[in-house]
Amino acid sequence: NAGVTQTPKFQVLKTGQSMTLQCAQDMNHEYMSWYRQDPGMGLRLIHYSVGAGITDQGEVPNGYNVSRSTTEDFPLRLLSAAPSQTSVYFCASISSGNTIYFGEGSWLTVV
Amino acid sequence: GDSVTQMEGPVTLSEEAFLTINCTYTATGYPSLFWYVQYPGEGLQLLLKATKADDKGSNKGFEATYRKETTSFHLEKGSVQVSDSAVYFCALSDHTGNQFYFGTGTSLTVIP
Repeated sequence: NAGVTQTPKFQVLKTGQSMTLQCAQDMNHEYMSWYRQDPGMGLRLIHYSVGAGITDQGEVPNGYNVSRSTTEDFPLRLLSAAPSQTSVYFCASISSGNTIYFGEGSWLTVV
Repeated sequence: GDSVTQMEGPVTLSEEAFLTINCTYTATGYPSLFWYVQYPGEGLQLLLKATKADDKGSNKGFEATYRKETTSFHLEKGSVQVSDSAVYFCALSDHTGNQFYFGTGTSLTVIP
């Protein structure tokens, strides 16, 4: 009963490097999203997808790309990491019953 | 647009004290309301939810009632435990069910 699985859990990047945060869900949910969590700012939506082949921008999309080639996977790419992208990232999916399920988080530090 | 406002923290309580964390919302249509809990180093977990006015969500001794007249969804627990120490997020989903809006979180520490 995996739910939403995201990797890696921890990552340190140098400024300018690129990387991909992986996210997979096994609940057959159409809707998936990526959030970042910063102190005092709660959760902010980066990108979301309402189904395979469809993605859209959230509140803070700059510096990130996403794709949705399958229902299960929704990777988040950092194109050229900046210190401002130091954050905790959460992948989530939403059930047809209108409940959001989160992964365990990815702690990213950009130095 | 839709939004959620919850009380600032941090909140520190003694074990067995009464807990209230205030949450108010702004939304068009008829949102669903949620409380999520985040334990240190973990992701957010659903604590309880309510989908229509006057519904009461409850779980693990926590309760919250969907009050449309005051646009509120305050979280309460009669007697907190040390294990309740966590960050609590109020959230709403809009009428589509696909857009979620979160409060900034309230950190709760319960001391023995």
